[in-house]
Amino acid sequence: QQQVKQSPQSLIVQKGGISIINCAYENTAFDYFPWYQQFPGKGPALLIAIRPDVSEKKEGRFTISFNKSAKQFSLHIMDSQPGDSATYFCAAGYSSASKIIFGSGTRLSIRP
Amino acid sequence: EPEVTQTPSHQVTQMGQEVILRCVPISNHLYFYWYRQILGQKVEFLVSFYNNEISEKSEIFDDQFSVERPDGSNFTLKIRSTKLEDSAMYFCASSGTTLGYGYTFGSGTRLTVV
Repeated sequence: QQQVKQSPQSLIVQKGGISIINCAYENTAFDYFPWYQQFPGKGPALLIAIRPDVSEKKEGRFTISFNKSAKQFSLHIMDSQPGDSATYFCAAGYSSASKIIFGSGTRLSIRP
Repeated sequence: EPEVTQTPSHQVTQMGQEVILRCVPISNHLYFYWYRQILGQKVEFLVSFYNNEISEKSEIFDDQFSVERPDGSNFTLKIRSTKLEDSAMYFCASSGTTLGYGYTFGSGTRLTVV
């Protein structure tokens, strides 16, 4: 019940295309859903986050879509650029606790 | 921009030896964490620390692990007797809230146990 399932494991997108990464969770007590971006040799960096009281959040080219009834959320990267090539992790957490549970990660490659 | 600093960046140790991984969290943050990432796998929670005590720990964080904030600025993770399966990237993080929002991760320490 603590798991966060992420797909796909890897993704190749042409420059200018839309990258879509999906995650699913089981525990309805989760109420915080961040996405992290990780470059090789670096720690994860918070990209964007959403709470379950909204269905979508947009920051620049990055959008989270959240479907509470399906217990799914996804990251959309519009106009994908080579600099977006990284590993992306979805995660879930509780407002009353401190830890977050990470998905297994998606290695995204943007082809020029 | 404030950073979480981790040292060393890479540590090689023999099985059975003790290691101490060091972190300097962001100065005004109150919550501190250790996570680990085995090569190619997901990031796993180890422990959280607040007000000079452990607030939560995972099943991974057994008696071989301990954390300490010895001097008000450093935050350390000690592994008493390392095993081969402890080889991983260890990330320190700090936060100003409990919600994960504002989590800042360090660049990690790659621990290799031989």
